[in-house]
Amino acid sequence: DVKVTQSSRYLVKRTGEKVFLECVQDMDHENMFWYRQDPGLGLRLIYFSYDVKMKEKGDIPEGYSVSREKKERFSLILESASTNQTSMYLCASSFLGNNEQFFGPGTRLTVL
Amino acid sequence: AQKVTQAQTEISVVEKEDVTLDCVYETRDTTYYLFWYKQPPSGELVFLIRRNSFDEQNEISGRYSWNFQKSTSSFNFTITASQVVDSAVYFCALSEEDQGGSEKLVFGKGTKLTVNP
Repeated sequence: DVKVTQSSRYLVKRTGEKVFLECVQDMDHENMFWYRQDPGLGLRLIYFSYDVKMKEKGDIPEGYSVSREKKERFSLILESASTNQTSMYLCASSFLGNNEQFFGPGTRLTVL
Repeated sequence: AQKVTQAQTEISVVEKEDVTLDCVYETRDTTYYLFWYKQPPSGELVFLIRRNSFDEQNEISGRYSWNFQKSTSSFNFTITASQVVDSAVYFCALSEEDQGGSEKLVFGKGTKLTVNP
């Protein structure tokens, strides 16, 4: 079975802190994605990566950066967390050439 | 630009009722894929189905069925004889291929289904 894991289910941080959200997949997928999910807005793509050290902006990249140093790991970074980044963050992965995405359990981040 | 509309924000039914979740999409692509995902209270999105634009056959899987109609740009999802375990948020999604060939999905805003005993 494909497994996508995220480092934390729940996280509480303070405004201005640097926050790292980690995602690891064990199926050798080339593509990895970070979304945020907010009530009434659905899933919105923040960043994605189709290869190691490659990254592409999604629809809402402002305030975020990403890192992909290894194929199996894709990190989302909040350089200076703000209260409007309180949200559920979902990571997903897929094979190149196959748009079926597999999702992790999500990280619910609260910024105080 | 690609767009997916799920007009029903929330639906509440009583167990054993049939329920249909609507999905309407917009795309200029001639080749595309449509998806349905289920998000139970645990939070993880679970893949339910993928359908490509050249296959308009309806699909049935147990109590689940999907009706794809290109003429109306719709891909509706019906649960027959609903059960409490069907309570979840359901997302419809459309594949989008950008100039770089990346394979992104555009999601609708989701429909929250509550099945009451």
